Amino acid sequence: DAKTTQPPSMDCAEGRAANLPCNHSTISGNEYVYWYRQIHSQGPQYIIHGLKNNETNEMASLIITEDRKSSTLILPHATLRDTAVYYCIVRSRGGATNKLIFGTGTLLAVQP
Amino acid sequence: GAVVSQHPSRVICKSGTSVKIECRSLDFQATTMFWYRQFPKQSLMLMATSNEGSKATYEQGVEKDKFLINHASLTLSTLTVTSAHPEDSSFYICSASRQDRRRDTQYFGPGTRLTVL
Repeated sequence: DAKTTQPPSMDCAEGRAANLPCNHSTISGNEYVYWYRQIHSQGPQYIIHGLKNNETNEMASLIITEDRKSSTLILPHATLRDTAVYYCIVRSRGGATNKLIFGTGTLLAVQP
Repeated sequence: GAVVSQHPSRVICKSGTSVKIECRSLDFQATTMFWYRQFPKQSLMLMATSNEGSKATYEQGVEKDKFLINHASLTLSTLTVTSAHPEDSSFYICSASRQDRRRDTQYFGPGTRLTVL
């Protein structure tokens, strides 16, 4: 699976949009971009995933560049409860296993 | 969203004893479950892939005789840490793979904090 690069940490003011970038320049055509987050001492939580089109759900929006070499996760109105480590992971679907390989992620600190 | 539970949430044991951790998918069937380990201030490390009705597949460097995995049903996988030692103290997290027409997504349990004295 392709590697991803994320900034180690980011700050965001409460109520503002949080934009978390991810570089995945070696992504291949059948690999999806997945985002998870992990609040301290809890299991990771699925946020969103996409292939090439932008995606939106009740939690966030995912913007994938046209060349698919990078993406941005957008939390439209960050709250203090969004403080967590956010992981961007690329992997293919439908293989014999669909294991996720976690990198170091981005620690998002939402400030009051 | 799908719900995955783990039991116990926290366990303290003496060195040399064995500890069993259960992972259950509560509202869906999971042919594949995964076990991760996370040390303080580090990311999750995949330990093994658990397939219902067959042997688990272990990642490189993970001792299969020390970390016994059983996936006896479509909703339950267990991880047994045998002859635990203080260096096995960690946060153990499972996930279950939910596959349907639109999605192929892993959902994670809340984790089990193991402390070996």
